[in-house]
Amino acid sequence: GAVVSQHPSRVICKSGTSVKIECRSLDFQATTMFWYRQFPKKSLMLMATSNEGSKATYEQGVEKDKFLINHASLTLSTLTVTSAHPEDSSFYICSAQAAGASYNEQFFGPGTRLTVL
Amino acid sequence: QKEVEQNSGPLSVPEGAIASLNCTYSDRVSQSFFWYRQYSGKSPELIMSIYSNGDKEDGRFTAQLNKASQYVSLLIRDSQPSDSATYLCAVKENNDMRFGAGTRLTVKP
Repeated sequence: GAVVSQHPSRVICKSGTSVKIECRSLDFQATTMFWYRQFPKKSLMLMATSNEGSKATYEQGVEKDKFLINHASLTLSTLTVTSAHPEDSSFYICSAQAAGASYNEQFFGPGTRLTVL
Repeated sequence: QKEVEQNSGPLSVPEGAIASLNCTYSDRVSQSFFWYRQYSGKSPELIMSIYSNGDKEDGRFTAQLNKASQYVSLLIRDSQPSDSATYLCAVKENNDMRFGAGTRLTVKP
């Protein structure tokens, strides 16, 4: 149980284009999903917290107009990197938290490696 | 600023030994504590969660929590080369989860 998938696993795009990353909870309903980015040999950096049916909460320094997050259902959240630039190249990882106050664990997707040329 | 501190390592232990990973946190109201394992190029995988003071054992892994000292640790018994990875400590209050920078563990055959 508690499986989270991400698609695509790897994407290479040209500078200026937009890239959409999907995060799905496969066997549970996730009221809350989280988006992280990770640079090589660095720890996870929380970008935003996404709650189903409401606007995402972005961490300080993360541009909400550049990193568009949509959490349209209890099993799907998407992150769109708009007008991507080479400095956006990173490992993007989502995690999902199951519905219910007693269930506190976050489960991570396998990550999406984005390379912007 | 809520901080989660880990020794970045690298920590090197021989196969079969006990590996001890430590983590301290600054926010006294933190409620939940987690250890994740991350292999290079992969996403984190949950190993243990602990919510109350004391020890929690799961197979070769034991998590220890001391809220008074704001300290959480992970012991890995009978370490195997496959345990070589970066171990992330995470501390959570409500929906706010903060990660440490991770400790890189190498288990030598």
